[in-house]
Amino acid sequence: SAVISQKPSRDICQRGTSLTIQCQVDSQVTMMFWYRQQPGQSLTLIATANQGSEATYESGFVIDKFPISRPNLTFSTLTVSNMSPEDSSIYLCSVAGRLNTEAFFGQGTRLTVV
Amino acid sequence: SQQGEEDPQALSIQEGENATMNCSYKTSINNLQWYRQNSGRGLVHLILIRSNEREKHSGRLRVTLDTSKKSSSLLITASRAADTASYFCATDDQGQGAQKLVFGQGTRLTINP
Repeated sequence: SAVISQKPSRDICQRGTSLTIQCQVDSQVTMMFWYRQQPGQSLTLIATANQGSEATYESGFVIDKFPISRPNLTFSTLTVSNMSPEDSSIYLCSVAGRLNTEAFFGQGTRLTVV
Repeated sequence: SQQGEEDPQALSIQEGENATMNCSYKTSINNLQWYRQNSGRGLVHLILIRSNEREKHSGRLRVTLDTSKKSSSLLITASRAADTASYFCATDDQGQGAQKLVFGQGTRLTINP
């Protein structure tokens, strides 16, 4: 199992600013994932963060808007840049174990952009 | 991209009744997982069923998987007020790389006392 600490748990930000979300795992993991959950919606994968290489972004998400760092095997950050009200969402980080094992999620960051 | 569809989108039942939620997906999978989310926070893993399994039980939970129909169901028996939450199915898309999860739209379950 993995315990994930994500912070901040929530924030209210002004439009045009940026917020960096941190995700700390209690064990070394190869891949970390960042998801977005818009209000009342399901989770959508933003990107996969691999240690030692650039993140891999899903369709509709770009590095300029959501830069990701992965400096080591236990830590990652997601930055939401130049925020607009449409970025108001819950952002969750996740790690996955071996194939056919469960994924683990942080408690999420509830972001409100005003 | 979202590939899963869940129905119903919302379900309201009386405490003690059984709740059934369905999930469909589009691609070949290694496994299908069910998660619960309380009040829009982190996800709690409930159960994982592998593609070569047809049924799995965990406590009051029963999950079935039909890979020929690309569908799964989650049954919660003898529901309790504490089961009130949103429930999501998630699949790992073999074609896109294992461990990347694709989530269904979710079912909002309300258990009335």
